[in-house]
Amino acid sequence: DAKTTQPPSMDCAEGRAANLPCNHSTISGNEYVYWYRQIHSQGPQYIIHGLKNNETNEMASLIITEDRKSSTLILPHATLRDTAVYYCIARSNDYKLSFGAGTTVTVRA
Amino acid sequence: DAGVTQSPTHLIKTRGQHVTLRCSPISGHKSVSWYQQVLGQGPQFIFQYYEKEERGRGNFPDRFSARQFPNYSSELNVNALLLGDSALYLCASSRRGGSNQPQHFGDGTRLSIL
Repeated sequence: DAKTTQPPSMDCAEGRAANLPCNHSTISGNEYVYWYRQIHSQGPQYIIHGLKNNETNEMASLIITEDRKSSTLILPHATLRDTAVYYCIARSNDYKLSFGAGTTVTVRA
Repeated sequence: DAGVTQSPTHLIKTRGQHVTLRCSPISGHKSVSWYQQVLGQGPQFIFQYYEKEERGRGNFPDRFSARQFPNYSSELNVNALLLGDSALYLCASSRRGGSNQPQHFGDGTRLSIL
């Protein structure tokens, strides 16, 4: 799996959009970009994934650049319950997810 | 539908003992994966089972073993426990194997070794 780079931490304001960046400059053509988050004392929660096209679901939007070297996870209206560690993963492997350190996101009132 | 369920939620063991952790996947999911998460780090892959066969193994010693049953539930066994085995053990399920299949996690078993 390609290495991903995320900022260690970021703050965002409640009610505003949160834009979480991820760099995956060495990603290969068959690697999917996955996002998970982990709230304290819980297991990781799947958010979204994509290969080339932008994706949207009820939780978030995933924007992947045309060259696929970076992506952004967008939480459209952050709430205090979105405070968590967010993991960006470039996945080619059929059986495992390779987690890095992630971004600790703190939503402030 | 119920999510991934793991039991027990917490467990305390002493060095040298063995432990069995259990996981029930989401209904309809045939693949189960196990991860270890030590404090302050991201989860690390241990095993994946699909259709009762081991499909992948992470860099863990032979003290760690697992199996999947005909109903797709799974057990993780760890023998000769060490202090360093203290961690959150996570189970994840997916409909099948493949990099396009999201894995959905349970809330884990917190194992403490004294």
